[in-house]
Amino acid sequence: DQQVKQNSPSLSVQEGRISILNCDYTNSMFDYFLWYKKYPAEGPTFLISISSIKDKNEDGRFTVFLNKSAKHLSLHIVPSQPGDSAVYFCAAIGTSGGSYIPTFGRGTSLIVHP
Amino acid sequence: GAGVSQSPSNKVTEKGKDVELRCDPISGHTALYWYRQRLGQGLEFLIYFQGNSAPDKSGLPSDRFSAERTGESVSTLTIQRTQQEDSAVYLCASSATGNEQFFGPGTRLTVL
Repeated sequence: DQQVKQNSPSLSVQEGRISILNCDYTNSMFDYFLWYKKYPAEGPTFLISISSIKDKNEDGRFTVFLNKSAKHLSLHIVPSQPGDSAVYFCAAIGTSGGSYIPTFGRGTSLIVHP
Repeated sequence: GAGVSQSPSNKVTEKGKDVELRCDPISGHTALYWYRQRLGQGLEFLIYFQGNSAPDKSGLPSDRFSAERTGESVSTLTIQRTQQEDSAVYLCASSATGNEQFFGPGTRLTVL
């Protein structure tokens, strides 16, 4: 039973356009969400996060939107660059539990074409 | 080093052998996590350390898996009597804040 779902295994986008990666969750106890980016043969690297008290967080070309009522979050990358090509993992944490163990989605492979 | 390091980077072993994977977290990070990523799958949580104790071992798939951490630093993940289904990339992460985790490059384990 996946509590964090990334339903699109892959996404292909033209350079300069917007990339939108989606993530859905089922556990209402999740209150902190993160996006990680992973290149082949490397570990995931933290990209951006959002607390459930917010509905948007922006950092340069990256913006994460959170819709709590729909239990949905999305990562927008604009403009997309070929170097953004990687696997993107969505993760969710229920901080009230105190353990801060994230639950990860299966990832979406983004390919940005020049 | 500045980041999380893991060794070996690759390990090929025969079914039934024991393997030991090592993780060196970022200095000062009290929390340490082990994950497994099988081909085409997401990150699967294995075990979490806070300091040298492991309050959550719920992700360890069987009693063949064990982990320890000493000196609030290095951690080792041991898999005894390896099976082919143990083949995966084993990732270690450390954290100071509890929210953002810093990952190592992983150890790719192949069990023949």
